[in-house]
Amino acid sequence: AQSVTQLDSQVPVFEEAPVELRCNYSSSVSVYLFWYVQYPNQGLQLLLKYLSGSTLVKGINGFEAEFNKSQTSFHLRKPSVHISDTAEYFCAVSEIQGAQKLVFGQGTRLTINP
Amino acid sequence: DGGITQSPKYLFRKEGQNVTLSCEQNLNHDAMYWYRQDPGQGLRLIYYSQIVNDFQKGDIAEGYSVSREKKESFPLTVTSAQKNPTAFYLCASSIPPGQGADEQFFGPGTRLTVL
Repeated sequence: AQSVTQLDSQVPVFEEAPVELRCNYSSSVSVYLFWYVQYPNQGLQLLLKYLSGSTLVKGINGFEAEFNKSQTSFHLRKPSVHISDTAEYFCAVSEIQGAQKLVFGQGTRLTINP
Repeated sequence: DGGITQSPKYLFRKEGQNVTLSCEQNLNHDAMYWYRQDPGQGLRLIYYSQIVNDFQKGDIAEGYSVSREKKESFPLTVTSAQKNPTAFYLCASSIPPGQGADEQFFGPGTRLTVL
């Protein structure tokens, strides 16, 4: 079984500041890793994913994440945030082999202050 | 435009009533999923289906039922046996594992409130 821990439930930052949202996972098998974003009262939108290859993954809206297998982490970063980045962010994993069920972290609410 | 639609957007139910949430996709995806979202708990898997006429329980299936009679549709029924049904429900779909995208696409959600 897999589990995902997002280490911060809320992250407030000022506009144009850098941000890092932390995600650690636990799994006995190889996994794919995902970051999704959710704007209020909407569904989830994929930001980026790690399947294989380069451990630095670039996604939409200027976000990137780095897969660190030894630390079982997949932290999300953006060098300069905008007011429009205010949303909830979810880290998720799925087994490489199997039914592709996603296991989600609890979410991190990112609030951008002017 | 391809995508996933969920209806209704908001749903109110009296205690003891069954309600059915609709999920339709025109992405030609084989697999479909239902998740429940509660504040501070992320998303939890209720049921999933990898092919028509077949589905499996997820982590929190008690009090819910599903059907998969058509590839495009995966309705979820919240029964009166579900003790705390007030939540945001999200439907998702994907192509089978190993065939490309390996990600799930989500609908806009249905917010269910029990009065």
